[in-house]
Amino acid sequence: GENVEQHPSTLSVQEGDSAVIKCTYSDSASNYFPWYKQELGKGPQLIIDIRSNVGEKKDQRIAVTLNKTAKHFSLHITETQPEDSAVYFCAASKNDYKLSFGAGTTVTVRA
Amino acid sequence: SQTIHQWPATLVQPVGSPLSLECTVEGTSNPNLYWYRQAAGRGLQLLFYSVGIGQISSEVPQNLSASRPQDRQFILSSKKLLLSDSGFYLCAWGTPGAGDTIYFGEGSWLTVV
Repeated sequence: GENVEQHPSTLSVQEGDSAVIKCTYSDSASNYFPWYKQELGKGPQLIIDIRSNVGEKKDQRIAVTLNKTAKHFSLHITETQPEDSAVYFCAASKNDYKLSFGAGTTVTVRA
Repeated sequence: SQTIHQWPATLVQPVGSPLSLECTVEGTSNPNLYWYRQAAGRGLQLLFYSVGIGQISSEVPQNLSASRPQDRQFILSSKKLLLSDSGFYLCAWGTPGAGDTIYFGEGSWLTVV
């Protein structure tokens, strides 16, 4: 099955700096890569996703890049703010109902 | 707009007792439905998914079962809870034919004592 690895497991950044989280996947047939943000005690929220026919997607301060050849994708958060502090999960799937999740990255934005 | 409701939000159950977690989705028809579990400080594990009434697929062997008695209702059950069943349980839904995009509910914290 699909194996998704996520790094780093924890990330501390100064407010205003950028944060980057990287994920690799094992199954070259995977074609959908979402990112979720989970705040303490709540369910994960979809924040951005990318499909294999594009290499980059942006939504305000958030961007995701995909390198299909290398089988890795990354989340970039620019101009970080305290409300960006949360756990972020990457995931991958090949349109078979099964999202495989990374282990998560705890992001702390220092004021 | 679509909404997902999951309850109860928290529960503490003794070992050996039964479990029933319920999830309903509003604002959509024939959704794909999912149950995930998240152990403390860990990632998300898919337990069950359903593409229609009465159609349940299990991803991992375990002490739990799922049922879908109505189009937008998904129930997670156990006849006898184990300590290892403790965790954060998340229901999710997705639109058929829209790839694997899924949206989570707020989750249910289960502590087995």
